[in-house]
Amino acid sequence: AQSVTQLDSHVSVSEGTPVLLRCNYSSSYSPSLFWYVQHPNKGLQLLLKYTSAATLVKGINGFEAEFKKSETSFHLTKPSAHMSDAAEYFCVVSSSRDQGGKLIFGQGTELSVKP
Amino acid sequence: SAVISQKPSRDICQRGTSLTIQCQVDSQVTMMFWYRQQPGQSLTLIATANQGSEATYESGFVIDKFPISRPNLTFSTLTVSNMSPEDSSIYLCSVLAGSDTQYFGPGTRLTVL
Repeated sequence: AQSVTQLDSHVSVSEGTPVLLRCNYSSSYSPSLFWYVQHPNKGLQLLLKYTSAATLVKGINGFEAEFKKSETSFHLTKPSAHMSDAAEYFCVVSSSRDQGGKLIFGQGTELSVKP
Repeated sequence: SAVISQKPSRDICQRGTSLTIQCQVDSQVTMMFWYRQQPGQSLTLIATANQGSEATYESGFVIDKFPISRPNLTFSTLTVSNMSPEDSSIYLCSVLAGSDTQYFGPGTRLTVL
C-alpha cells in the first residue's frame, strides 16, 4: 500500500531564509512523487514531480526536491523564502502508473513566512 | 498542462438540497477525478469519472450521494445530493495529463447551512 507522511503540520521561516518541508513515503515499488502548493482560496498548483529520472528535481518558483530511496524521503527545499511562498504544501505519491495515476495525499504542511 | 475551470466557484446551500458542480477542461482527457477537501484537511478522492461508463467510487463514497456525469472528454459534473452541514467542503476536479500527472481546477467552496 502507498502512503505519505508530512512530518510537520506547520513550518514558520523568516523571509530570505531557507525552507525545508519534510516528506516520507511508503511504496512497494518505484513511486511517482509530487509536491503541490495551495494558496489561500485557490486550487492546487503542481510545483514539481519525480518519476524515476534525476533524483534532484527542480520545480517552479525556485523550489526543488531530492528523492532519496534509502531514506524513503522526498523533502522540498528552497534557498530563500519569499512572502509569496506562504501557503499549504502537499506531498503526494502516485499509487500506480498502471492504474491511471490515483494520488495519495499527505496531510499538508502550512508554511508561514515572516517579514 | 491543462486549463481547468469549475462552476460555481462557491455556493451557500440549505440542508436537504442538491448542488451540481461543473468541471471543464480545455483539451480532451481520458481521466477526470473528483476530490473533497474538508476544512483544514487534505484531499480525499471521491471518484474517477470515466467517459462512456459509470464512475468508479472510492470507499466511503456512493453514487446516490455523489452522482457523476462524464458526457464527453472535456466535461464532467459532480452532484452533492441531499446536503447536510457535514458536506461543507471544497470540491476539486482534476485531470490526468500524460501518464502520471494530475492538474487541478480552482475548486468549488460549498457551505451548507
